[in-house]
Amino acid sequence: RKEVEQDPGPFNVPEGATVAFNCTYSNSASQSFFWYRQDCRKEPKLLMSVYSSGNEDGRFTAQLNRASQYISLLIRDSKLSDSATYLCVVNGQGGYNKLIFGAGTRLAVHP
Amino acid sequence: DGGITQSPKYLFRKEGQNVTLSCEQNLNHDAMYWYRQDPGQGLRLIYYSQIVNDFQKGDIAEGYSVSREKKESFPLTVTSAQKNPTAFYLCASTRMNTEAFFGQGTRLTVV
Repeated sequence: RKEVEQDPGPFNVPEGATVAFNCTYSNSASQSFFWYRQDCRKEPKLLMSVYSSGNEDGRFTAQLNRASQYISLLIRDSKLSDSATYLCVVNGQGGYNKLIFGAGTRLAVHP
Repeated sequence: DGGITQSPKYLFRKEGQNVTLSCEQNLNHDAMYWYRQDPGQGLRLIYYSQIVNDFQKGDIAEGYSVSREKKESFPLTVTSAQKNPTAFYLCASTRMNTEAFFGQGTRLTVV
């Protein structure tokens, strides 16, 4: 089983749609969680950190369920500029500062 | 400005040649990482280092070597033992349990 697993995608949605990405992680000792965005042929950039209490940044909402070892990202009112690959990232497994990335889910928003 | 710098941006390697990719950070981060990304794929961990003079193998360390003599620097050598080195290489750094900052990446091509 992979340490971090994401929906395989791609997701093709019209502008204005709401889209949800899911991610599961295998190591219950993981300490911190993030969503990154990666555009084609570029380095990943932090989209948001994920907390147990949930957090929201504009059209983006992230949730963490430690009991189920599950992380989610919700994008509301999708824009063309949201088209990218979204990466789920887990850090701090067993006290080690080890970043593990999911394979990513590609999102294509069309007019 | 604080950040993480990778060089060169593009690198061409001849068959049987060793090449070294540079990664430098001035963020005072303890941990540094090297990832490999193939087209349409996720990031795979090559090596990571939590402190100076210490580093750990990731999932695909064969054919690669690293050193961590200074906190700021974590160079990656792609050796001739790596039979399929053409890929996008990304370096990242973090503090414990915080988000990762990435360099802009190095595209390595075998010619």
